[in-house]
Amino acid sequence: AQSVTQLGSHVSVSEGALVLLRCNYSSSVPPYLFWYVQYPNQGLQLLLKYTSAATLVKGINGFEAEFKKSETSFHLTKPSAHMSDAAEYFCAVIYGGSQGNLIFGKGTKLSVKP
Amino acid sequence: DADVTQTPRNRITKTGKRIMLECSQTKGHDRMYWYRQDPGLGLRLIYYSFDVKDINKGEISDGYSVSRQAQAKFSLSLESAIPNQTALYFCATSWGGETQYFGPGTRLLVL
Repeated sequence: AQSVTQLGSHVSVSEGALVLLRCNYSSSVPPYLFWYVQYPNQGLQLLLKYTSAATLVKGINGFEAEFKKSETSFHLTKPSAHMSDAAEYFCAVIYGGSQGNLIFGKGTKLSVKP
Repeated sequence: DADVTQTPRNRITKTGKRIMLECSQTKGHDRMYWYRQDPGLGLRLIYYSFDVKDINKGEISDGYSVSRQAQAKFSLSLESAIPNQTALYFCATSWGGETQYFGPGTRLLVL
């Protein structure tokens, strides 16, 4: 079955440190890939999306993600964490033949220590 | 004003009660979706609609029903609520199969 795997349900970093949140998808055909962020008590907000135009995708708030077909990965990074980055992050994928429906990973909760 | 709105934002109900969650959008999108979020499980698709006359079951549709009253309105009903339907419910919209935009969510507690 098509799936999305996010490694690590909780990630903790210090303020100013690199943020790396991992996402792997399960298809040989490059899908559409998304990262969403959910701040406490809020809905999901789109961070960035990959639609085959470029393998390195820049999003909002200094985040970026790189599509690596050979590794079936789409990891999210930010060079320097800020306290306001504390949130839950979801990787989501639209696979071909899925009628455009999103399949979500289980989420990674990011904590930022002062 | 928000493009995707959900009412109510919070709801407490009792086992066996019928409840309805409503979603409205001003984005002019054709597709609308209902998801539920449970801790550690991410978001799972309940129902989706490509237009007013096209409604489809998602991954976890049992115990739920939907109605697409107009292009801009998509409601989710729990005919007889049960405690394991306690969750955070999200509505989303998209144009075709493009990016989905989410509402603020409805927190439902079934006692």
